[in-house]
Amino acid sequence: SQQGEEDPQALSIQEGENATMNCSYKTSINNLQWYRQNSGRGLVHLILIRSNEREKHSGRLRVTLDTSKKSSSLLITASRAADTASYFCAPRTGANNLFFGTGTRLTVIP
Amino acid sequence: GAGVSQSPRYKVAKRGQDVALRCDPISGHVSLFWYQQALGQGPEFLTYFQNEAQLDKSGLPSDRFFAERPEGSVSTLKIQRTQQEDSAVYLCASSPPAGGGGNTIYFGEGSWLTVV
Repeated sequence: SQQGEEDPQALSIQEGENATMNCSYKTSINNLQWYRQNSGRGLVHLILIRSNEREKHSGRLRVTLDTSKKSSSLLITASRAADTASYFCAPRTGANNLFFGTGTRLTVIP
Repeated sequence: GAGVSQSPRYKVAKRGQDVALRCDPISGHVSLFWYQQALGQGPEFLTYFQNEAQLDKSGLPSDRFFAERPEGSVSTLKIQRTQQEDSAVYLCASSPPAGGGGNTIYFGEGSWLTVV
């Protein structure tokens, strides 16, 4: 299977806390991408990390990648109510398609 | 256009009816994808085009599903003889050529199909 699997399935935190989501995959990858989906909307690209990178930052987002363990994590610092959404990882092989897991549903409580 | 545009945004179809869902990708994007997303699930890959060529249709669930992109721009996903299990959000996405940021895929807001 080329898709990633996110963990936990659901996460509920207080505003201001940090949120950590994990992704595991099975194949060799060129890069791994994280997407966010607000309820009733399309997916929005958040960040891409290449297979030769170990950590990447973008604003309040921090992504790590461990290719030896075939895993990635997404950390959202100082969470806000607007971060409430589903988050999906998408490991990308040489193929052009992206395959998604079931996602992590994050709820940030004001 | 500014983003990937999908229409209709919402569609209610009677079981057995044929439906057509349209996708206008971002101008200049050569790759186009269709995904099906059931409630509470992640998007499931349906099919992929590069320009007008349908390079992968392995995700289409049955021969009732058909996608085309005749001129390499607008795409239509057609579902014949709709069944209740076809009820889902159908997401279209596009990406630019490789080397032009082709790693990022841009999604539309989806077409919500309800089969009654």
